[in-house]
Amino acid sequence: GAGVSQSPRYKVTKRGQDVTLRCDPISSHATLYWYQQALGQGPEFLTYFNYEAQPDKSGLPSDRFSAERPEGSISTLTIQRTEQRDSAMYRCASSTGTAADTQYFGPGTRLTVL
Amino acid sequence: AQSVTQPDIHITVSEGASLELRCNYSYGATPYLFWYVQSPGQGLQLLLKYFSGDTLVQGIKGFEAEFKRSQSSFNLRKPSVHWSDAAEYFCAVASSTSGTYKYIFGTGTRLKVLA
Repeated sequence: GAGVSQSPRYKVTKRGQDVTLRCDPISSHATLYWYQQALGQGPEFLTYFNYEAQPDKSGLPSDRFSAERPEGSISTLTIQRTEQRDSAMYRCASSTGTAADTQYFGPGTRLTVL
Repeated sequence: AQSVTQPDIHITVSEGASLELRCNYSYGATPYLFWYVQSPGQGLQLLLKYFSGDTLVQGIKGFEAEFKRSQSSFNLRKPSVHWSDAAEYFCAVASSTSGTYKYIFGTGTRLKVLA
C-alpha cells in the first residue's frame, strides 16, 4: 500500500480482556516493527519481523504479549488479559530491512484499558 | 547499553526565531542517527538521518542536524521556525546487535511556536 496502516485507531477495553491490533505495512517492505509509546515518552521497541521470522522478542513486556506475521505481510499484536498498565499508543513501522533504512510509521492504535 | 537523551522536554520559540533541539546518544560503534517529528494524530515522520559521510545532514522542511562524535551529539537545527513546526520531535539511534535492528528513541522534545 501507499503507507503503513493500523487498525483500529482507538481501542477501549476492560481489564482482563484480550485485544488484537493489526498492522498493514508498505507492501515492498521486508521488515516490520512494533513499538509501545506511553504518554509523554518516546516509542519503545517491542519486537520485529523479517518477513515471517521473528528474530527479536526482547522488548515484549511479558508473556501476555505476542505478535505474528504468518505470511510475511500483515502483522498482529495480541495482548492477553489486559492490564491498565498496557494503556499506551502501539505503533507499527516497516522498512526494507537494515539498520540504516528509514522506518515508516503508521498512525498508531491508542489502547485504553479500563 | 545504548541510549538516547533529549534533555529538553519542552521548548518555546517565537515564529521566525532559530531553533536547536539537543540529542545525546550512547553507542559503542558508529551510530545510525535519526530525527523524527510527530504531529498530533499523525505517525512519526522522518526529518533526516545520518549514517556516514558528511557530518552536517540536510533534511526536509528546512531542518538540518550535525553529528559530533566527540560530543556524542546529533542536534537538530532550523534557522527560522514556522508556526507549522509545532510538534514533538524524537531523536533515535539504530542499534544493530547480532543481526537485530531496532530503534532506541529519546523521550522527545515538544516544540511550541509563538506567533
